[in-house]
Amino acid sequence: DVVMTQSPLSLPVTLGQPASISCGSSQSLLYIDGDTHLSWFLQRPGQSPRRLIYKVFNRDSGVPDRFSGSGSGTDFTLNISRVEAEDVGVYYCMQGTHWYTFGQGTKLEIK
Amino acid sequence: EVPLVESGGGLVKPGGSLRLTCAASGFTFSNAWMSWVRQAPGKGLEWVGRIRSKSDGGSADHAAFLKGRFTISRDDSKNMLFLQMNSLNTEDTAVYYCTTGLFHWVTDYWGQGTLVTVSS
Repeated sequence: DVVMTQSPLSLPVTLGQPASISCGSSQSLLYIDGDTHLSWFLQRPGQSPRRLIYKVFNRDSGVPDRFSGSGSGTDFTLNISRVEAEDVGVYYCMQGTHWYTFGQGTKLEIK
Repeated sequence: EVPLVESGGGLVKPGGSLRLTCAASGFTFSNAWMSWVRQAPGKGLEWVGRIRSKSDGGSADHAAFLKGRFTISRDDSKNMLFLQMNSLNTEDTAVYYCTTGLFHWVTDYWGQGTLVTVSS
């Protein structure tokens, strides 16, 4: 099974400051179709998850451009250029190359 | 209009069965691959299984750790997705979500979730 490891698990950030979450996989996520199936999800308190990023760096419709994804192979990053209050919640990376596995989650809170 | 609405959760005894339903609206359900994802209380997200669209074969795949206890099916005539859960144990206690969001080629939809509690 592919293991997804996120860091940090807790991320206190000052409003307006940048934030970065790392996600590592135990196997390469490059698929035979040439795509890398790594997505990022945000679960706000009391809400269902929502997808922010798919295939490493593609933002979903309606996702602010302050969110960006990068990486390849086994190492990936979600960056938030300037954190806003609505960004509070738990962020999950997920691989969809070898079935589906989520990271443990990173809880972002405002300092 | 909420695209996905789960129902069927509740309290069940260990060893029991439960069938969850996800009602879809506002998009072409028959073309959509669907998944179930669960979240134990205070824990992270866990993939349960997926089902392809009929045009892509209609077959279902389930997480290996379930050991055949759960089965996903769909009724495109009713725009409904199902999760049949058998031989339930306390570790199956979770909120169960239906979602399209695991598939990058479709719009991301999640239901509000339905809570399944397995307890004697």
